[in-house]
Amino acid sequence: EVQLVESGGGLVQPGRSLKLSCLASGFTFSNYGMNWIRQAPGKGLEWVASISSSSSYIYYADTVKGRFTISRDNAKNTLYLQMTSLRSEDTALYYCARRLRRVSPFDYWGQGVMVTVSS
Amino acid sequence: DIVLTQSPALAVSLEQRATISCKTSQNVDNYGISYMHWYQQKPGQQPKLLIYEGSNLASGIPARFSGSGSGTDFTLTIDPVEADDIATYYCQQSKDYPMDTFGAGTKLELK
Repeated sequence: EVQLVESGGGLVQPGRSLKLSCLASGFTFSNYGMNWIRQAPGKGLEWVASISSSSSYIYYADTVKGRFTISRDNAKNTLYLQMTSLRSEDTALYYCARRLRRVSPFDYWGQGVMVTVSS
Repeated sequence: DIVLTQSPALAVSLEQRATISCKTSQNVDNYGISYMHWYQQKPGQQPKLLIYEGSNLASGIPARFSGSGSGTDFTLTIDPVEADDIATYYCQQSKDYPMDTFGAGTKLELK
């Protein structure tokens, strides 16, 4: 069974940092591109960042470029999102999701981890 | 960025047909494939893939769900609607990879 389990969320002050993790199981992690997608409270879905299976290609939404860093450790089946200079508008439920190829859909999503940026 | 436009809500009766539309600001077809995907999200749950590449049913999804359309106009149909289908439905385009975008979602409600 495919499982994606996010962790590392919480309440953080504006300007501070936080690192999210996503532990994958039930599939060959190193074969899939991985993504972070977020959902602000009561709002829709926003793609945040993606990383290819071998970490060769990394992309960010303009809203987080320069502040967030996506990475992965295929030996540990884990995806990461390092978030710095956090803003109130980064408050959201952060999902990790996998995709097989560049234009494939996001076929499995984790349950999400909440990040709240507030003083 | 490619903008996806969905109606905010749709009211439907059980056992009737629900038709949810998604219009894109640019063509999301390429070489005969529509890079349009549909997801279902119930309250407190993560999104679930329903339809990929315009009309392909994802694994384990009931056949009462179907997708159609091409270019800039797409439709998700649920026929017949069951109580378990009450949720919010999102369309997503991947033609503009990596700048994938989602519609704002259509909340399916009971009439």
